[in-house]
Amino acid sequence: DSGVTQTPKHLITATGQRVTLRCSPRSGDLSVYWYQQSLDQGLQFLIQYYNGEERAKGNILERFSAQQFPDLHSELNLSSLELGDSALYFCASSAQTGGEQYFGPGTRLTVT
Amino acid sequence: DQQVKQNSPSLSVQEGRISILNCDYTNSMFDYFLWYKKYPAEGPTFLISISSIKDKNEDGRFTVFLNKSAKHLSLHIVPSQPGDSAVYFCAASFSGTYKYIFGTGTRLKVLA
Repeated sequence: DSGVTQTPKHLITATGQRVTLRCSPRSGDLSVYWYQQSLDQGLQFLIQYYNGEERAKGNILERFSAQQFPDLHSELNLSSLELGDSALYFCASSAQTGGEQYFGPGTRLTVT
Repeated sequence: DQQVKQNSPSLSVQEGRISILNCDYTNSMFDYFLWYKKYPAEGPTFLISISSIKDKNEDGRFTVFLNKSAKHLSLHIVPSQPGDSAVYFCAASFSGTYKYIFGTGTRLKVLA
């Protein structure tokens, strides 16, 4: 158990809809990272937050957005969903802006 | 543009023998490399890392080798155990930014 929690575990929704994925980092970790893993692909970095502020951006679509709240939990919002958005979405946290990242169990999103 | 490549999607090894997982990268500016292990239905788990100022790092049965001139790193597992059966991802990052670039993973199967 990494100490990072993600909800929900599974999510099935239709094209065009909007969903919110939630992540609680390990106790004391200030950095949160979001990754997407599509079928047979590596983990694609989406975005990083540190203590409430956006720190780094990767291949995140404009339809996607994230935020980190004062209690340090983070949410990833995915809107106007397309079939190709079906993937595993992982959240990770680290103590500072670097160091090893600890991953949550992921949220499996299926868009039908 | 795949900056971190794991060209072997799968590998099978007998229990007790050495497992060697390989990873190539294209950007010589990467200066921190990591290996993660992932079991089904779980998030990736940090295994071992290496800074670009080193060429070897060892932790128990796991050793990572870095060849900067060849832009190549490898993970050696000796001796391999059935519990090592998992997908292994290598990742690379730059100083000052902590987004990880992941490879597509190698599925290791250790046969009893």
